Amino acid sequence: QVQLVQSGAEVKKPGASVRISCEASGFSFSSYYLHFVRQGPGQGLDWMGMISPSDGRTTYTQKFQGRVIMTSDTSTNTVYMELTSLRSEDTAIYYCARLDWELGGAFDIWGHGTLVTVS
Amino acid sequence: QSALTQPASVSGSPGQSVTISCTGTSRDDVSWYQQHPGEPPKLLIHTVTKRPSGVSNRFSGSKSGSTASLTISGLHFEDEADYFCASYTSSAIWIFGGGTKLTVL
Repeated sequence: QVQLVQSGAEVKKPGASVRISCEASGFSFSSYYLHFVRQGPGQGLDWMGMISPSDGRTTYTQKFQGRVIMTSDTSTNTVYMELTSLRSEDTAIYYCARLDWELGGAFDIWGHGTLVTVS
Repeated sequence: QSALTQPASVSGSPGQSVTISCTGTSRDDVSWYQQHPGEPPKLLIHTVTKRPSGVSNRFSGSKSGSTASLTISGLHFEDEADYFCASYTSSAIWIFGGGTKLTVL
């Protein structure tokens, strides 16, 4: 079964960091870029960045530059997203998603989401 | 690049059709997602007009100029959800629309 399984909910204090994992299964881990998208309470989707699991190349949107680090572990088919210097506005659900260029650059598989509460 | 622009809400009755617009799409890498409360987004349309396998043919996509559109025909109560458009940009990043809440009356 093609799926992305994310780590559980986190509660963090302002100024702390959070690290979310996203484990891929059912497809070739190295063949797809994995992305992180966040959604604040009652808000829309906000693209954070992406990682190439095979070589660890990353691209981050300017909004999160300097605060986000994405890494991959090919031995466990897992990517990680660390967000530092947390503030209350970072309270959100964080999704990882697979991008498929065969589908015109669409996100075809999504994790269930990880709720991060900063308080 | 700014987020894509969508109407905040649309509504329709069962059996009717509704169209949701998404303005600011300069490329054909446009996709649409449906999100029910408490669930992750689900891909409905990719490459402007194409449906992944398993998605109902009641969902269709189109584009004219810089505005993409999602049309839902024969509305069902279970279509009530939030809908988001997304696009890859010339700056090599992805952007999303603000989302449209569909109410089926």
